[in-house]
Amino acid sequence: DTGVSQNPRHKITKRGQNVTFRCDPISEHNRLYWYRQTLGQGPEFLTYFQNEAQLEKSRLLSDRFSAERPKGSFSTLEIQRTEQGDSAMYLCASSGYRVADEKLFFGSGTQLSVL
Amino acid sequence: QQQVKQSPQSLIVQKGGISIINCAYENTAFDYFPWYQQFPGKGPALLIAIRPDVSEKKEGRFTISFNKSAKQFSLHIMDSQPGDSATYFCAASIPQAGTALIFGKGTTLSVSS
Repeated sequence: DTGVSQNPRHKITKRGQNVTFRCDPISEHNRLYWYRQTLGQGPEFLTYFQNEAQLEKSRLLSDRFSAERPKGSFSTLEIQRTEQGDSAMYLCASSGYRVADEKLFFGSGTQLSVL
Repeated sequence: QQQVKQSPQSLIVQKGGISIINCAYENTAFDYFPWYQQFPGKGPALLIAIRPDVSEKKEGRFTISFNKSAKQFSLHIMDSQPGDSATYFCAASIPQAGTALIFGKGTTLSVSS
């Protein structure tokens, strides 16, 4: 296993369009996180799954954002009616099931540019 | 209370010098404090982490110093190398509660040769 994989690496879209990103976590990891990072800022938490259950959502996650993790494997993050303020790096991370497995393994992210 | 405040925003250190980055937090329930390193175009990667039951943890050239009473922790990079040039983030969480990591805003370190 080569780590957390995110696709696409880059996405350019026009304002108002919908976009979807995919994350494939490390295979034995049950927890999956989505973060957003803008230039010069730290990653900001968006949402978190344990297996297929979405356990926590940040208030940053407006109703235009939706995330899924069917069957507790890969996850998708969809942004509807994109706005210029959505331009950011979207990072996915995964960790093991045990509470002690706090270490997050991050993917290289999807860079979204909304024109 | 959920913030983690990091300083300085940027840091320039000569090769062989010591780099020091500081973080402060308010939520006393936090009990896991990692530092992540990020290179351009890559996701953050865990560098070193500490729990509040110890005051210091060292791994190679990297040391975390933790002051529970002051609610502060810092990263020290000894013998800084040009390859250490990256952005460093402190973070905090409550793993037992399953909370996600809260990150600081980052420190961009440049090590000049």
